[in-house]
Amino acid sequence: GAGVSQSPSNKVTEKGKDVELRCDPISGHTALYWYRQSLGQGLEFLIYFQGNSAPDKSGLPSDRFSAERTGGSVSTLTIQRTQQEDSAVYLCASSPKTGRSTDTQYFGPGTRLTVL
Amino acid sequence: AQTVTQSQPEMSVQEAETVTLSCTYDTSENNYYLFWYKQPPSRQMILVIRQEAYKQQNATENRFSVNFQKAAKSFSLKISDSQLGDTAMYFCAFMNLNTGNQFYFGTGTSLTVIP
Repeated sequence: GAGVSQSPSNKVTEKGKDVELRCDPISGHTALYWYRQSLGQGLEFLIYFQGNSAPDKSGLPSDRFSAERTGGSVSTLTIQRTQQEDSAVYLCASSPKTGRSTDTQYFGPGTRLTVL
Repeated sequence: AQTVTQSQPEMSVQEAETVTLSCTYDTSENNYYLFWYKQPPSRQMILVIRQEAYKQQNATENRFSVNFQKAAKSFSLKISDSQLGDTAMYFCAFMNLNTGNQFYFGTGTSLTVIP
């Protein structure tokens, strides 16, 4: 079956430009996560969506970062006025997540963002 | 706050041999899950194995097994009969079931299987 997909796979932009990264979760998964992986680093949590609840934005590094999830499915991560330190791989994951039980996160292939 | 520590940035192992990757974590919680994820050069994160903290029995998945020491807050991954396709970054992750919103990841261990 289809997994989590992300687009674009690679994005090169100039400093100061805005970028949008897209994530299509697995159909039926209610939870969606965004992570950032900088070179040589682990995964840094950015934001979490669960159903119709207010998103957990506690990981967003600055107000230049925002994310939306429309219709409980597709999500878009937007970075405004990009800076060179924003260069990283941005990973999206989804999870079926029912009630208090945890479910495994399924990751997309990521978008490699390079800010020149 | 939860932290996950992987103290081995790089490791290598001969093909067909066994290797153990270490992971320790720090939490005051009692109800949580632990995971090992694999990230090959393709960047796709793949779940290797997971362990529920309430289970005493160590999780096993084919050639992959864990040594879960709850009191010591240690969660090592053993890969038996290493294969070339095991070459990847391996991330240890923690999830607090009481909040359930965030996974906390270690910085990863780069494993190279040598033919």
